[in-house]
Amino acid sequence: DQQVKQNSPSLSVQEGRISILNCDYTNSMFDYFLWYKKYPAEGPTFLISISSIKDKNEDGRFTVFLNKSAKHLSLHIVPSQPGDSAVYFCAAPSDRGSTLGRLYFGRGTQLTVWP
Amino acid sequence: GAGVSQSPSNKVTEKGKDVELRCDPISGHTALYWYRQSLGQGLEFLIYFQGNSAPDKSGLPSDRFSAERTGGSVSTLTIQRTQQEDSAVYLCASSPQGANYGYTFGSGTRLTVV
Repeated sequence: DQQVKQNSPSLSVQEGRISILNCDYTNSMFDYFLWYKKYPAEGPTFLISISSIKDKNEDGRFTVFLNKSAKHLSLHIVPSQPGDSAVYFCAAPSDRGSTLGRLYFGRGTQLTVWP
Repeated sequence: GAGVSQSPSNKVTEKGKDVELRCDPISGHTALYWYRQSLGQGLEFLIYFQGNSAPDKSGLPSDRFSAERTGGSVSTLTIQRTQQEDSAVYLCASSPQGANYGYTFGSGTRLTVV
């Protein structure tokens, strides 16, 4: 039962362009969302998060947008760089209002940024 | 150490054997998690330890899986009578209290059951 879904297994973007990675969720009780980035043979690393009280959070080249009515979020990377090539996971905590506990992860999207 | 350390990094075992996977979290991190990633799948929650509280074992797929955390630090995930479907990358993560899920993951143990 996938509560967090990433329907695009891969995305290919030219360097300098925008990358948009999408994520959908089914549980309306989710109130916090995270993106993790994973390189081969390494563990995922935390990238950016957003609380459900916001609809946008920006950190440098990375911006996450949240559309609660559509139960959809997206990660925008502008401009994309070859070093951004990695698998990106969307995640949401199981416990509303908590800062710890299990996360539900999507299956990930492999981003490839080509020169 | 500076990060979360997992050992071994790779493990090949025969079906039916028991395996132990080790995780050394970041010193002072009170929360420790185990996840696994099977081929083509997302990260699947297994178990969560928080301080002295009873662990959340709700993600363990069967009673062949168990985990313990000694002294609030090192954790061992044990899989008994391994099956081919246990083949996956097993990831450990830790976080301090109140970290808003900004886990630090280890590099994982790639388990292959043949």
